[in-house]
Amino acid sequence: QVQLVESGGGVVQPGRSLRLSCAASGFTFSTYAMHWVRQAPVRGLEWVAAISYDGNNKYYADSVKGRFTISRDNSKNTLYLQMNSLSTEDTAVYYCVKRGECSGTTCYAPKYWGQGTLVTVSS
Amino acid sequence: DIQMTQSPSSLSASVGDRVTITCRASQGIRNDLGWYQQKPGKAPKRLIYAASSLQSGVPSRFSGSGSGTEFTLTISSLQPEDFATYYCLQHNTYPLTFGGGTKVEIK
Repeated sequence: QVQLVESGGGVVQPGRSLRLSCAASGFTFSTYAMHWVRQAPVRGLEWVAAISYDGNNKYYADSVKGRFTISRDNSKNTLYLQMNSLSTEDTAVYYCVKRGECSGTTCYAPKYWGQGTLVTVSS
Repeated sequence: DIQMTQSPSSLSASVGDRVTITCRASQGIRNDLGWYQQKPGKAPKRLIYAASSLQSGVPSRFSGSGSGTEFTLTISSLQPEDFATYYCLQHNTYPLTFGGGTKVEIK
């Protein structure tokens, strides 16, 4: 069964950096694009970033562009999110999300989400 | 960016009520839309994909409809376990965008 396990969250001061990891299992990681989605306390869901199956294409929300970097290591079945210049606005639960399944040229909304890891940016 | 306008932001309903939630996209997204249910402290759970396809294992009282810019999630007879927050997600174009959410509360 598909498992996505995030780690690396914690409390960090504004302006500092943090790297999140997501260990994937139960599917062929190297053939799926992956996403990070976050949810600030008592707020809605916000898509953060995506990476293609081979790591060659990356996409970012405007709110994190230039500060966050998504990457992957297919040999380790692991997705990463390097977060620099953190601000209080980045406080959220960060979810690792597997691209939805595809049928022919049509792909569907993501089904599998990790349990999330909490990042708190506070002085 | 494609904006997803979800309404209402909250509603109060009784067990057995029919509930309808709407998402409107700022431009056409074909049927590249999913609906999710989220309960406190949990990750979102996919209910509907491709705008109207019911996720396996999800009760048939949930249904989705729409294409292009107007989408609807309907719960035909609200059950106690359905009290939660619901989100739509468009995955037609990056950046992916979510609706603002609809909190379904007990009347």
